[in-house]
Amino acid sequence: GAGVSQSPRYKVAKRGQDVALRCDPISGHVSLFWYQQALGQGPEFLTYFQNEAQLDKSGLPSDRFFAERPEGSVSTLKIQRTQQEDSAVYLCASSANTGFSEQYFGPGTRLTVT
Amino acid sequence: QKEVEQNSGPLSVPEGAIASLNCTYSDRGSQSFFWYRQYSGKSPELIMSIYSNGDKEDGRFTAQLNKASQYVSLLIRDSQPSDSATYLCAVTPSFSGGYNKLIFGAGTRLAVHP
Repeated sequence: GAGVSQSPRYKVAKRGQDVALRCDPISGHVSLFWYQQALGQGPEFLTYFQNEAQLDKSGLPSDRFFAERPEGSVSTLKIQRTQQEDSAVYLCASSANTGFSEQYFGPGTRLTVT
Repeated sequence: QKEVEQNSGPLSVPEGAIASLNCTYSDRGSQSFFWYRQYSGKSPELIMSIYSNGDKEDGRFTAQLNKASQYVSLLIRDSQPSDSATYLCAVTPSFSGGYNKLIFGAGTRLAVHP
């Protein structure tokens, strides 16, 4: 079946612009995660949804970052007033269940802030 | 001390040899453990999951977990040039709150040469 998809794959934003990154999880997957990956580093947790509920947003770097999953499927990560330090790859992952089940990653969105 | 530590490499092995990748973690209560493979410019791809002490084999891959020593390893038998990638170790910490809030190491770069 179809895997996790993300769009856009690449985004260039001028400093101060708002961006919205979309994630389509595997159909029926309950859990959805967002991670941020800087060059040469492992992914870092940003936020977690169980269905439409955002249960953990402890990894969001600032109040400029906002995520939603209103109908429990597609999720959007929004970054307001982008800064150069926001440049990274943003990865979305989903898993079938709650608990410690395996996560599957989408292709990521590479954000470059100029 | 980083929560999940990996040697950055590169680990260079000849084709056909066994590649041994190691990972240590600081949270003694960590609950589940994963290995991901990441090709340059691509997103992480799940290779193995392991939840209890001992070995788990899947094809050419064997994951080994030793909770007392707080390490997890990945063995790749009959290494192929196509195995050349960065291997990420990921751990679910004790404070994860009942969901799979993964903590990643920075990854080990593996180079398999013909």
